[in-house]
Parts: sequence; structure tokens; C-alpha cells
Amino acid sequence: DTGVSQNPRHKITKRGQNVTFRCDPISEHNRLYWYRQTLGQGPEFLTYFQNEAQLEKSRLLSDRFSAERPKGSFSTLEIQRTEQGDSAMYLCASSFNRGGYTFGSGTRLTVV
Amino acid sequence: KNEVEQSPQNLTAQEGEFITINCSYSVGISALHWLQQHPGGGIVSLFMLSSGKKKHGRLIATINIQEKHSSLHITASHPRDSAVYICAVSPAYGGSQGNLIFGKGTKLSVKP
Repeated sequence: DTGVSQNPRHKITKRGQNVTFRCDPISEHNRLYWYRQTLGQGPEFLTYFQNEAQLEKSRLLSDRFSAERPKGSFSTLEIQRTEQGDSAMYLCASSFNRGGYTFGSGTRLTVV
Repeated sequence: KNEVEQSPQNLTAQEGEFITINCSYSVGISALHWLQQHPGGGIVSLFMLSSGKKKHGRLIATINIQEKHSSLHITASHPRDSAVYICAVSPAYGGSQGNLIFGKGTKLSVKP
């Protein structure tokens, strides 16, 4: 297992376009988390899944954001009608229950 | 006031110095995490602890649950230790099992 994998590493998009990010967690991990991190700040929680069920969503996750984890394996995070304020690093992490977290390298989104 | 506060925000040290980064939190927790983030964004989990002390190589993490305080120590610091160190807590309250609450991070620069 090569850890948590996120794709793409970087994404530049025009305002108003839709983008989708992918996260492949560690295969034995049942929990998957999405975080957003802006420059100079710590990560902020967006949402998490236990297996395929999305159990919690932050107020930060507006209706332009949607996340899925079909079959409890990889997850996708989609942002519709991107805005400049969406520019950030999007981090994925996985864990087995409430054990240690393993983070991916993140997807850096720039909205121009 | 943030639920997780770190100090200092920035730290510059000479190679070989002993370094301490502090973390205070205001919520009940089930665990505290120390994370390392290098430029480029990827996060590495250093420690997860709920009591006492853990050591890994030159890194030592301690936690005092009663005082709601944790410290990360680096002995014999080296330029490759330069990174942002982030403290994060897993809240103990049942309504938010997926949410890590992060500090803003401490940016460490070790000069040769």
C-alpha cells in the first residue's frame, strides 16, 4: 500500500468551471476525511465518510460542494461553479475508526 | 478564541538546538495529534497520544490532560526538520467523531 493518494496534485481552473478531485485511501481504512487549507492557516474539516456513508458535513461545505465515496473505497470531491475563494489546498486523510490518520499530499486548487 | 492554540507561530533555531513547540486546547479530547507539513502541502503524522509521553528518534511528544496542554520537542535540531508543525485534537464529544480540530501551525526554520 502506497499510502493515501490524491489526484491531481495541482489544478488551475477558470472561475465558474466545475472541478473534481480524487482520493484513494489506505485500503484497510474505513474512514475517509476531506479538509481544506488556506495559506497560513491550519486545515479545516469539510466532511468525512465511514465506509460509503457520509456521516458529517461542515458548514463550510456549501451546496456547490459534493463528496462521494462509492463502495467505500476511493472518494471524490466536486466543486461546482468555482469561485476565487475556493482556491486552497484540499487534503484527504484516512484512518481505521479513530486510530491514527494518514494524510495525502493534497490537491492545490487555483481559481483564476 | 481558537479551540487549539499553538505557540510560537514562527521559530528560528540554529542547528543542534533543542526546540519546544507548545499546544493548548480548550475542548475535551480523546486524542491529540502532532503533524508535520513540508512546503508542497503533504502532511505526515508524527504522534497520536492520549496520555503521557511518546518518543520517536529525536522527537518527543508529551501531553498533560488535566492542564489541556501538549508539547513537541526536537532534540539536536537539523535543517531537514524545517517544516510547519501542526497540533490537532480529536474531540471527545460524541457529535463530531470525524472532526479533527487543528491549530494554525508553528513554522520552524533550522539554520545550519
